[in-house]
Amino acid sequence: AQTVTQSQPEMSVQEAETVTLSCTYDTSESDYYLFWYKQPPSRQMILVIRQEAYKQQNATENRFSVNFQKAAKSFSLKISDSQLGDAAMYFCAYRSTSGSARQLTFGSGTQLTVLP
Amino acid sequence: DAGVIQSPRHEVTEMGQEVTLRCKPISGHNSLFWYRQTMMRGLELLIYFNNNVPIDDSGMPEDRFSAKMPNASFSTLKIQPSEPRDSAVYFCASRTQSSYNSPLHFGNGTRLTVT
Repeated sequence: AQTVTQSQPEMSVQEAETVTLSCTYDTSESDYYLFWYKQPPSRQMILVIRQEAYKQQNATENRFSVNFQKAAKSFSLKISDSQLGDAAMYFCAYRSTSGSARQLTFGSGTQLTVLP
Repeated sequence: DAGVIQSPRHEVTEMGQEVTLRCKPISGHNSLFWYRQTMMRGLELLIYFNNNVPIDDSGMPEDRFSAKMPNASFSTLKIQPSEPRDSAVYFCASRTQSSYNSPLHFGNGTRLTVT
């Protein structure tokens, strides 16, 4: 079974600065998908960014980018020019491509605080 | 697109009562998931359906929990009888099965409090 580990329960960043959230996972598969979700105080789960394991290029979405290190099984999220609205719980998630396990496995989350 | 719709937004009930949570997935999505979120255990998958058929219910904590999906546009998660330890936020999510990288779309969740 796959596991996802987020070793930073809490992080803080100064507004306009850059912060990196860590995520590692354990899998024996070669093809899979990785996601970062954001959960603001409103409780809604919002997709931030996704990465296909077969792609070497790191995914980027505006101020959000990932550092995907397949050999190290690492998938960190970098938030540049942090904004107050970025404050939220961030979840890393893994999806297998095998037929019987296409659901997401979530990490335990990292609570990000943005300081004005 | 209205997104995944869950109701109620909040539910407070007494121990022993039956609780029914409802979910309307995004039209065209053929996979539906129920998650439970607690401080202690994070996000746990309870059950998921493909094309209205339950595929994996191994995350359902015990027989007090049941889920149904009578059609492609509606699902329920029922707890009977409810207990205080069931207090959590319950999320419904849906996605299209057609592509591996199609993301989950979550509802806003139902915060359940059992007293």
